[in-house]
Amino acid sequence: TQLLEQSPQFLSIQEGENLTVYCNSSSVFSSLQWYRQEPGEGPVLLVTVVTGGEVKKLKRLTFQFGDARKDSSLHITAAQPGDTGLYLCAGVRAGGTSYGKLTFGQGTILTVHP
Amino acid sequence: DAGVTQSPTHLIKTRGQQVTLRCSPKSGHDTVSWYQQALGQGPQFIFQYYEEEERQRGNFPDRFSGHQFPNYSSELNVNALLLGDSALYLCASSFLGTQYFGPGTRLTVL
Repeated sequence: TQLLEQSPQFLSIQEGENLTVYCNSSSVFSSLQWYRQEPGEGPVLLVTVVTGGEVKKLKRLTFQFGDARKDSSLHITAAQPGDTGLYLCAGVRAGGTSYGKLTFGQGTILTVHP
Repeated sequence: DAGVTQSPTHLIKTRGQQVTLRCSPKSGHDTVSWYQQALGQGPQFIFQYYEEEERQRGNFPDRFSGHQFPNYSSELNVNALLLGDSALYLCASSFLGTQYFGPGTRLTVL
């Protein structure tokens, strides 16, 4: 059972379309990060959200943390071919002594066609 | 300011062999975590080092071990390699917060 469920697993769209990726869990997270990873490279941090209901914008990307801190979404407006990659959500579970251990979702492979 | 660096970039080993992967954290970071990422999957936490001690461990067998040096750099050792150990091994460094990843080492076990 995956602690963080990402959907969809695959997304193939045309340039200019909008899309949303979801990251859901039954557990509460003290923080949640979104990463983008290209083939053969390490994940690159896009954003960290820590407050329930928080919304952060990064150019055409909008990130939201659920009020209960159990879920998050990534919305991309007017997708471009350069947005192609693997998008990963990762969280630090609330409580206990996690020491910042990241739990990852299985990822969403996004392909944006010109 | 250099980010997280890992070496080697690629490695090919045969079953039963042993391998050592290396990681240098971002400047100012004192914590190093290691992750294993199978093809098409999200990374899985192996263990984390802080103050030269293993602070937390994921569900990996004892064949996976590590070390952290006084300069905060770290090594990941895997003994008795299995075909299933083929993966991208990622190192992430942090200081009281968000983890930053290196480019990874691609290990292929034949």
